[in-house]
Amino acid sequence: GNSVTQMEGPVTLSEEAFLTINCTYTATGYPSLFWYVQYPGEGLQLLLKATKADDKGSNKGFEATYRKETTSFHLEKGSVQVSDSAVYFCALSGRQTGANNLFFGTGTRLTVIP
Amino acid sequence: KAGVTQTPRYLIKTRGQQVTLSCSPISGHRSVSWYQQTPGQGLQFLFEYFSETQRNKGNFPGRFSGRQFSNSRSEMNVSTLELGDSALYLCASVNTGTDTQYFGPGTRLTVL
Repeated sequence: GNSVTQMEGPVTLSEEAFLTINCTYTATGYPSLFWYVQYPGEGLQLLLKATKADDKGSNKGFEATYRKETTSFHLEKGSVQVSDSAVYFCALSGRQTGANNLFFGTGTRLTVIP
Repeated sequence: KAGVTQTPRYLIKTRGQQVTLSCSPISGHRSVSWYQQTPGQGLQFLFEYFSETQRNKGNFPGRFSGRQFSNSRSEMNVSTLELGDSALYLCASVNTGTDTQYFGPGTRLTVL
């Protein structure tokens, strides 16, 4: 079946520190992979996506590479800002099994301190 | 393009009541998915509608139902509310061409 395992939080970093949030998945076939971000009191915002092996998704300084051999999609940012404080969710699409639903990790709360 | 709209943003109900939530997807998107978010269970898939038909359903009791209209707007209904139904309900507008889901701001339901 489909599942996502995400690094446990919370994560606290100083401004300008390097960020890595680990995400591994189990899936049937070759799903699309996503990172979503949720700010307090809001819905989910799509941060980046990758649709096939070795694709790199990137947005707002965040990057993640679809690694089929390690079934991973780790999120990285070279220099975090206070405004990056949020909860980050890794997700995979079930479409390759005929369903348009996303399978989410448990979320990782990031706090960036000045 | 306008984003995904969900109404109302906040609701307070009592046990036993029923509730209807509404979602308007991005113009041109014919698929809508619904998710429940709670601190204990995280994000869980409820159901998906495409062209007024339910295509997929998550593991929720029959008290949770939905529908989709010809203009792609969708509603979900929860009957006989329980305390455990308190959650953030998120609607996603699905671009089936790119396999990408765009979420609305959610409806925060509190059951007392």
